[in-house]
Amino acid sequence: QQQVKQSPQSLIVQKGGISIINCAYENTAFDYFPWYQQFPGKGPALLIAIRPDVSEKKEGRFTISFNKSAKQFSLHIMDSQPGDSATYFCAASSRRRARDDKIIFGKGTRLHILP
Amino acid sequence: DAGVTQSPTHLIKTRGQQVTLRCSPKSGHDTVSWYQQALGQGPQFIFQYYEEEERQRGNFPDRFSGHQFPNYSSELNVNALLLGDSALYLCASSFGTGGYGYTFGSGTRLTVV
Repeated sequence: QQQVKQSPQSLIVQKGGISIINCAYENTAFDYFPWYQQFPGKGPALLIAIRPDVSEKKEGRFTISFNKSAKQFSLHIMDSQPGDSATYFCAASSRRRARDDKIIFGKGTRLHILP
Repeated sequence: DAGVTQSPTHLIKTRGQQVTLRCSPKSGHDTVSWYQQALGQGPQFIFQYYEEEERQRGNFPDRFSGHQFPNYSSELNVNALLLGDSALYLCASSFGTGGYGYTFGSGTRLTVV
């Protein structure tokens, strides 16, 4: 059972364009939704995160949009650059109990920005 | 300030053997989580250690075991290796409870032949 579903699997965007990655979750106990960026040979690095009490969070060129009723959230990368080419993972966790706070990852989106 | 350090970076083992992977958490962090990332997949949670005890465990067989030492460093042990255990093993450290502030290491690439 996949608790966090991510799409698309791969994405090609022209330099300067907008990259959009979508995720859906099932567990309503989730209350923390981070996005991670992973380059080849490296571990995932936290990019941006949101909590369900807000509908949007922006940090530089990266924006998370969150729809609690639909149990969906998405990452928008504005003015995409070749250096953004990486694999992106959406994730979710529950903070209500320390014993349940593990991070659940989506399967990832391989993003390629054309120069 | 050193981040999360994992060793070794690469490892090749034969089916049926045992392997130990090591992780030193980021300075100031006391919680260590281990993940398995198969090629082209997202990381899968194996288990988490806090105060030298296993606090949470994912859907992995008992062949996977771990340990946390008083200095917060951790080991992941896998017994009776299978070909399907080939993956990137990631260690993440954090402070206290919650998934906030997870810092991942670069991982250990395990190949089972």
